[in-house]
Amino acid sequence: DAKTTQPPSMDCAEGRAANLPCNHSTISGNEYVYWYRQIHSQGPQYIIHGLKNNETNEMASLIITEDRKSSTLILPHATLRDTAVYYCIVRAIHYGGSQGNLIFGKGTKLSVKP
Amino acid sequence: GAGVSQTPSNKVTEKGKYVELRCDPISGHTALYWYRQSLGQGPEFLIYFQGTGAADDSGLPNDRFFAVRPEGSVSTLKIQRTERGDSAVYLCASSPGTANSPLHFGNGTRLTVT
Repeated sequence: DAKTTQPPSMDCAEGRAANLPCNHSTISGNEYVYWYRQIHSQGPQYIIHGLKNNETNEMASLIITEDRKSSTLILPHATLRDTAVYYCIVRAIHYGGSQGNLIFGKGTKLSVKP
Repeated sequence: GAGVSQTPSNKVTEKGKYVELRCDPISGHTALYWYRQSLGQGPEFLIYFQGTGAADDSGLPNDRFFAVRPEGSVSTLKIQRTERGDSAVYLCASSPGTANSPLHFGNGTRLTVT
């Protein structure tokens, strides 16, 4: 079972910041937080991942709370092309066998509106 | 550069037939994963290869499903005696195989069993 909880859907106005929350209250010390998104009819696309520090790349920012029990993915200026299902996933650091897998939940369907 | 390539993009088959789905990973990626995605659900893990060997096949639903990766690059997912419940999008992903490296997904093969 997925170890994360996300709202099933969210709306965001075009040009505004989209803040997608994720709860991972049972996360353990050897697990990263990963974010992927899936645009209709495409495979999941990697966005960003982090362990405990906030991370930023060209796509998004990831804010992880100090206790690591929740995180927020921020798309600073959402566009219509950001409409997708966003998945928050915890993944063990130790690499080997099933611990290297990504276990997907149902994600958050983000709709960016003009 | 080239991403993960999956062929065919669509496959329609009759109940009881045998099908093969192909995955060409990103060049140099040693880890390869197969997932299955039903409508409205997140991707579900099937099997993971590190090199030529299946490191984890715990997600395969039954013995009708089998996957190979004989030379450590291209992989084939094989489904025998297909059933209507096998209809789904089959996704392949690859990664460099190092700890914490993200998975990169193809756009999947949509399998329809009539």
